[in-house]
Amino acid sequence: DARVTQTPRHKVTEMGQEVTMRCQPILGHNTVFWYRQTMMQGLELLAYFRNRAPLDDSGMPKDRFSAEMPDATLATLKIQPSEPRDSAVYFCASGNGWGQNEKLFFGSGTQLSVL
Amino acid sequence: DQQVKQNSPSLSVQEGRISILNCDYTNSMFDYFLWYKKYPAEGPTFLISISSIKDKNEDGRFTVFLNKSAKHLSLHIVPSQPGDSAVYFCAASSMNRDDKIIFGKGTRLHILP
Repeated sequence: DARVTQTPRHKVTEMGQEVTMRCQPILGHNTVFWYRQTMMQGLELLAYFRNRAPLDDSGMPKDRFSAEMPDATLATLKIQPSEPRDSAVYFCASGNGWGQNEKLFFGSGTQLSVL
Repeated sequence: DQQVKQNSPSLSVQEGRISILNCDYTNSMFDYFLWYKKYPAEGPTFLISISSIKDKNEDGRFTVFLNKSAKHLSLHIVPSQPGDSAVYFCAASSMNRDDKIIFGKGTRLHILP
């Protein structure tokens, strides 16, 4: 049963620390999306990749967030330095379509708490 | 600026009745729309989608209606069942441009026994 795997599931850290979240997309999928879920904004798009190339990261605070795909099986989202306002659930999703065949499969998320 | 708006944060419906969840969008370039369902502590899962060339798409108990002139779509669930209690996200994309998928804030649906 193919699924998107995110680690860690939960992360508690102190303000100023670096946080790295990892995502293993479904094998063969060519798009990877990072979303952040908050009560105020719902699911905010942070960044997305197609064929490992970053297409859009305009939703990310550039000074502290970075997203990469070192290879086809790993996507990372880093926050340095972390702040309390970054506390949220971070979702990774992957897809294998183009145009109106695009359908995303989500991981279970990383619950981040910055104290 | 929210491009996809779900103005009802929550909705309660009696089991067996019809649930209607609404979604509005502002970007006229959107041409593909999706609904996702989310249970607590899980990621959203795909429910149903509709292309802008259609005005209705049906899958079992779930039907999505699209009104392009009003920039409005709705998800109908009939009959509603207890397992339908979840948060529902509306999403939209402009597949002719950059295919990024934009989500609304979600509507929490409670199915009452």
